[in-house]
Amino acid sequence: AQKVTQAQTEISVVEKEDVTLDCVYETRDTTYYLFWYKQPPSGELVFLIRRNSFDEQNEISGRYSWNFQKSTSSFNFTITASQVVDSAVYFCALSEASTNAGKSTFGDGTTLTVKP
Amino acid sequence: EAEVAQSPRYKITEKSQAVAFWCDPISGHATLYWYRQILGQGPELLVQFQDESVVDDSQLPKDRFSAERLKGVDSTLKIQPAELGDSAMYLCASSFVGVDYNEQFFGPGTRLTVL
Repeated sequence: AQKVTQAQTEISVVEKEDVTLDCVYETRDTTYYLFWYKQPPSGELVFLIRRNSFDEQNEISGRYSWNFQKSTSSFNFTITASQVVDSAVYFCALSEASTNAGKSTFGDGTTLTVKP
Repeated sequence: EAEVAQSPRYKITEKSQAVAFWCDPISGHATLYWYRQILGQGPELLVQFQDESVVDDSQLPKDRFSAERLKGVDSTLKIQPAELGDSAMYLCASSFVGVDYNEQFFGPGTRLTVL
């Protein structure tokens, strides 16, 4: 069974600080996909990134970066120089190719508050 | 920019009443998903359609929930009768291809409150 754990329920930082959101996953599949989504107060989930299990390269997109490590089953998300607009709930999700690649299991989210 | 449309945005109902939510996916997206998100938790898949066919409804409480996508385009999720525990955000998402996974686009959701 697939499982996603986001141990940090809430994080609060001051603007311009760097912050890392942790995600640990469990799966028996060798082929799987990992995702990060952002959910602002408006409620709509916004896709941020997808990573498949064969691609362990870290990725950077502007102030966002992701560190995928299969050895520790982790897919962590770092925001550099945080801004107030980054305040949101962030979800990590996993889908397994062998069962239903379209079905994502989500963690319970990390609420990030960035204070000015 | 193409978006997933959902209505209503908010719904307040009394327990034992029937409620229905509507979703219109992005044009051309064959796969449609309904998720339920309880406050403080991540979304949980209720039902997944590929065109008009149900691909996965293993987490759908079928005694009171039903979903349809008759023409393979828009979809309706119904609850009858509603219970207090059904209070949650109901999210609809769509993607271009369901088998080889692609990005899911989410609508704004319907926030249901059952009194």
